[in-house]
Amino acid sequence: DTEVTQTPKHLVMGMTNKKSLKCEQHMGHRAMYWYKQKAKKPPELMFVYSYEKLSINESVPSRFSPECPNSSLLNLHLHALQPEDSALYLCASSQDLAGGGADTQYFGPGTRLTVL
Amino acid sequence: GDSVTQMEGPVTLSEEAFLTINCTYTATGYPSLFWYVQYPGEGLQLLLKATKADDKGSNKGFEATYRKETTSFHLEKGSVQVSDSAVYFCALSLPNYGGSQGNLIFGKGTKLSVKP
Repeated sequence: DTEVTQTPKHLVMGMTNKKSLKCEQHMGHRAMYWYKQKAKKPPELMFVYSYEKLSINESVPSRFSPECPNSSLLNLHLHALQPEDSALYLCASSQDLAGGGADTQYFGPGTRLTVL
Repeated sequence: GDSVTQMEGPVTLSEEAFLTINCTYTATGYPSLFWYVQYPGEGLQLLLKATKADDKGSNKGFEATYRKETTSFHLEKGSVQVSDSAVYFCALSLPNYGGSQGNLIFGKGTKLSVKP
């Protein structure tokens, strides 16, 4: 099973709202990722968690706040977003072969976010 | 730096036609190579992968061979179907040494439309 689930599938929020995106995997993967994808573009990496610790933050604005409560769950907390943050937000996970080898990342279906 | 270049399309084919989507890469190390597919309104699905030179990845009738001498990983399918209409992303991942996980570098994507 290579399934990554994401909720909600769609989200509409105002610029003053606080919302959260949720991602879950039960493959025993120890690395989890958040990507942002604008229309007709490839995904852009936002954050990487490895063994539940934040290991990469690609200079993402603080209005996006990631959280990894346990090895199966990854959240993305949203606050005071701008209309240009509207995009498809993708979660991915990989085994995290620390010490060698290149991981295969498995993606979820994404959350389509619209900021009004 | 490390990069992936793929034909941008769009590519329009008739059903049962032969498909080739070109992908070339530049990498300082020994990357793994991937093709991901994104159907309309969905997340990315891993289509196939190859982890070392001369490996052939295959899935659902699609094939790609890791050619180190030409730094290429072209995607081919002998007979496309309408259901293959999607965006195809070529990507590379570098070995995970010293926290380099997250280095999944994408091409810009190629949109394929298959007409009945």
